[in-house]
This record gives sequence, structure tokens and C-alpha cells, in this order.
Amino acid sequence: AQKITQTQPGMFVQEKEAVTLDCTYDTSDQSYGLFWYKQPSSGEMIFLIYQGSYDEQNATEGRYSLNFQKARKSANLVISASQLGDSAMYFCAMDAEKLTFGTGTRLTIIP
Amino acid sequence: GAVVSQHPSWVICKSGTSVKIECRSLDFQATTMFWYRQFPKQSLMLMATSNEGSKATYEQGVEKDKFLINHASLTLSTLTVTSAHPEDSSFYICSAIRGLSNTGELFFGEGSRLTVL
Repeated sequence: AQKITQTQPGMFVQEKEAVTLDCTYDTSDQSYGLFWYKQPSSGEMIFLIYQGSYDEQNATEGRYSLNFQKARKSANLVISASQLGDSAMYFCAMDAEKLTFGTGTRLTIIP
Repeated sequence: GAVVSQHPSWVICKSGTSVKIECRSLDFQATTMFWYRQFPKQSLMLMATSNEGSKATYEQGVEKDKFLINHASLTLSTLTVTSAHPEDSSFYICSAIRGLSNTGELFFGEGSRLTVL
């Protein structure tokens, strides 16, 4: 069975600081993909970053990077130099046998 | 275990037919459910917000008559893709809020993959 765990229901971070959102996963599949999505109050799900299980390099997209530790089955999202607009819900997801989402982390950036 | 269940998880249909996808909250009542569509390697696109006992609120650009949403009970919302065509092939995902709409937890279904031949 697949499982995605996000242990931080909410986080408050000072503006301009870096923030790490935790995500651990469990799957028996050898090939899988890991995603992070941002969901602002509008409800839209915005794709942030993708990491394939066979990718050797950690994925990076602008201020977003994914700290992929395969042996530990973790895929933490790192946001550098946080901005007020980063306040949103963040979901980790895994695409293996099926698409599975974590329960999300509500990130609030404090001015 | 899953708290939001979608059925079917995979469906293949002929062009011109209609397909119904169910989204159920398994152990809680959900006044509000959401329907999303995901195109390959792209963001999840919010299609509509489904409210129990009232009409769904569709996002701009989503055809109401094409994608019929019915939230008949507090644990079930359905999405019907009417007269499906190959361009409707996609991954459809629902989510449901447990608790208040502003502070509740959001749970996702496991998605339904639609392939229209």
C-alpha cells in the first residue's frame, strides 16, 4: 500500500527565512514520482516541483528544491527566501501504483 | 486507510458516451467537495466546487453542461462527463473538507483515470 505522510499541519515562518516542509512516503514500487503542490486560498493546485525515483540529482525549480533521500523515503520541500505570497497549503504527492496525497501543511509567512 | 474514495479508479469508454465518477467521504460528512483535472505533467486544475444541496460552482472555462456535478448527500459527490471525447481523457481527482470550510482538513481521493477512445 502507498502512503504519504506530512507531519506538520501548520507552520509559521518569518519572511525571507528558508522553510522546510516535511514529507515521507512508503511504497513497494521501484519506480515512482514525487510531487509538491501549492494550494492558495483560491483552491487551485499549483505544481511546484517533481522528483523521479531514479533521478540522482535533487530537483530544483527557482526558490523550490526537493531534498530527496531515497533510503529514508523522504522528499522534503525547501523554500528559500520565503515571501508573503508563499502563504498557502502545501501538499506532497506520490505517483506510483496510484496518485496519493498527503494531508498537507498550512504555511503562513509572517512579515 | 483512505478517507476519500473515488470510483472507478480507471475507466475506458467510447467517444460519445457519458461516464460517471463517484467521490465518497468514508468516515465524515463533507459539505464541500472539489473536483480537479490533471493534464500530464501539469498542475491540478480546479474544475468546480461541489456544495451539498446546492448547485456546483464552476471555475471559468469549465463547461457546466459537459461536466455535470451532483452533490446529493453529505458523503457523495458525482462528476459526470457527458458525451465524452478523446480530449476529455485525463485524470480526475476529488477532494473533500472534513470540518469547517476555512479550517478543516482537506483529503484527496485517489483519482480516476479516464481514457476516451
